[in-house]
Amino acid sequence: GAGVSQSPSNKVTEKGKDVELRCDPISGHTALYWYRQSLGQGLEFLIYFQGNSAPDKSGLPSDRFSAERTGGSVSTLTIQRTQQEDSAVYLCASSLVALRDSYEQYFGPGTRLTVT
Amino acid sequence: AQKVTQAQTEISVVEKEDVTLDCVYETRDTTYYLFWYKQPPSGELVFLIRRNSFDEQNEISGRYSWNFQKSTSSFNFTITASQVVDSAVYFCALSEVKGAQKLVFGQGTRLTINP
Repeated sequence: GAGVSQSPSNKVTEKGKDVELRCDPISGHTALYWYRQSLGQGLEFLIYFQGNSAPDKSGLPSDRFSAERTGGSVSTLTIQRTQQEDSAVYLCASSLVALRDSYEQYFGPGTRLTVT
Repeated sequence: AQKVTQAQTEISVVEKEDVTLDCVYETRDTTYYLFWYKQPPSGELVFLIRRNSFDEQNEISGRYSWNFQKSTSSFNFTITASQVVDSAVYFCALSEVKGAQKLVFGQGTRLTINP
């Protein structure tokens, strides 16, 4: 079946502009995660959505970052007033969550964001 | 707080050699999950294994094997008879069992298999 997809694959933006990154999880996966991969910080968690529950935003680095998930499926990560330190690969992952168990996270190909 | 340490930044071996990637973790949780992911040059993270902390049996999958030792907080990964296609960055990760199960990653080990 189809895996996690992300768009765009690459995004170059000027400092101060807003960007939106999109993630389409695997069909049927109720849990969705955003991570960031950068040279300085490695792989770090940003935000987590599960069903209709309030998202876990504990990993968002500043209030310039926000994310939403519409209809329990597609998610958009928005970065306002981008800074050069926001340059990174943004990874989306999804997983299946059952009543008494959960399963491994499957990752998309990522969006490489470059802020100039 | 949870922490994962992969002390080996880079490893380079000749094809067909066996290679072990080390992973040491810290957590206050009594139950947790441990993972290994592979990131080939294409960039996509590929899931390899998930291990629950109460299951200390070693696992073998083809040329891959994993050695989980709770007493030393280690979850090492061995590739037997390495191949050029094994060249990638390998990440060890840890998550809680309940809640968000967000992954805490190590810094990764870049493995290069030379022909």
